[in-house]
This record gives sequence, C-alpha cells and structure tokens, in this order.
Amino acid sequence: QKEVEQDPGPLSVPEGAIVSLNCTYSNSAFQYFMWYRQYSRKGPELLMYTYSSGNKEDGRFTAQVDKSSKYISLFIRDSQPSDSATYLCAMIYQGGKLIFGQGTELSVKP
Amino acid sequence: DTEVTQTPKHLVMGMTNKKSLKCEQHMGHRAMYWYKQKAKKPPELMFVYSYEKLSINESVPSRFSPECPNSSLLNLHLHALQPEDSALYLCASSGYSWFEADTQYFGPGTRLTVL
Repeated sequence: QKEVEQDPGPLSVPEGAIVSLNCTYSNSAFQYFMWYRQYSRKGPELLMYTYSSGNKEDGRFTAQVDKSSKYISLFIRDSQPSDSATYLCAMIYQGGKLIFGQGTELSVKP
Repeated sequence: DTEVTQTPKHLVMGMTNKKSLKCEQHMGHRAMYWYKQKAKKPPELMFVYSYEKLSINESVPSRFSPECPNSSLLNLHLHALQPEDSALYLCASSGYSWFEADTQYFGPGTRLTVL
C-alpha cells in the first residue's frame, strides 16, 4: 500500500464547475499537507499548505484536512481553463521526506 | 519572493558528455533538494543538502554528483549519463534544516535529454 493515494484521473469538467481533488494517506505521523499545481513541462507550484485539521481558503481554492480519516481535499470554485494542470498532493513529517500522491490531471473545458 | 531559479531550461547531451545543472534561491532557505521527475509521475527525491552539507543521498548512481557551493546555490554535475536518465530535474528549497518538516518551493526545472 502506498503511503499516499491519489486518483490520477484524468478529470474533465466544464468551465465554472466546482472541482474536488482528494488524497488519502496511511501514516498518521504526517504533519504538513500541501497541494501543488504543475503545468505541463513546468515545475510544481505551491498552491496551499495546511498544518491542522480543518479548512483553509485562498481565493477560489479551499484546502481541507481531516486527520481522523487521513483524508485531504482541494476544492476549486468557478474553475477556469487556466486551472487545467496536474494537481499533486504532498505531505511531510518532522525528520521525513516529502511524499507525493500520483497527481490528478485536470482539464477544464471552456 | 518565493522563487527558485534553474539553468539551463533545456539540455541535450550525449552519453559521454559532462554537464552541470544550476539552481539558485534567495529566500534564505537552508535546505535544498534535487528531484527527478519522469512523465506522468510525481517527483522522486535524489539529494538533500541542509546547511550546505549533504544530508540525504537516495542511492543515486555516481554519474550524478551534487555540489552546494554556498547557502544559495546548488549544482548537479552530470557525467556518462544513460538515455533512461532523460527527465525533468527539479530543484527545491525549504526554510530550515530538512529535518524540520517545512513547505518546499520548486524551481521550473531543467528538461534533460540524453542521446
């Protein structure tokens, strides 16, 4: 079993839709939870990071962490074609390495 | 400014060539990383430098040789690579020692092709 599981998609939605991206993890030691956006042939761009359970909002993006269920989510409201990218969840604990999910490929159609 | 820069953007080299990848950050971060990423896969950790000392080597072949000249710079020297080493090479940095779990900021990557 992988430490972090993420559905690779691809996920295709119409412009304006709400997108939900999810990851599950097995190691309860994880402390920081991150979402990266990666456009084709570019480096990962840090979108959101959270430390505790609960929600964190930044513009159209909301990151949610449920440590009791070992489940994290990223919601994108009013999705735009420019949101089309691969979204990677990642998590880390003290003394550990950054562990990525497989990445979900998202396509937002105009 | 959360920027990590990498040069060159693209590199094509033969199996007998020697080349270097360069990475720079001016965020005052003390941990720097090299990752390798193949198409449709997440980044894989290669090396970690913390306070300019090599802290982690993920059993990377010796044809990859990292160097950290100072706290802002990280190099990756390449020699006698194989075609399967073709990939996107990513540099990242984080605020503290790698041991202190922290968010990592990535550069744009160098796309390497080995002929």
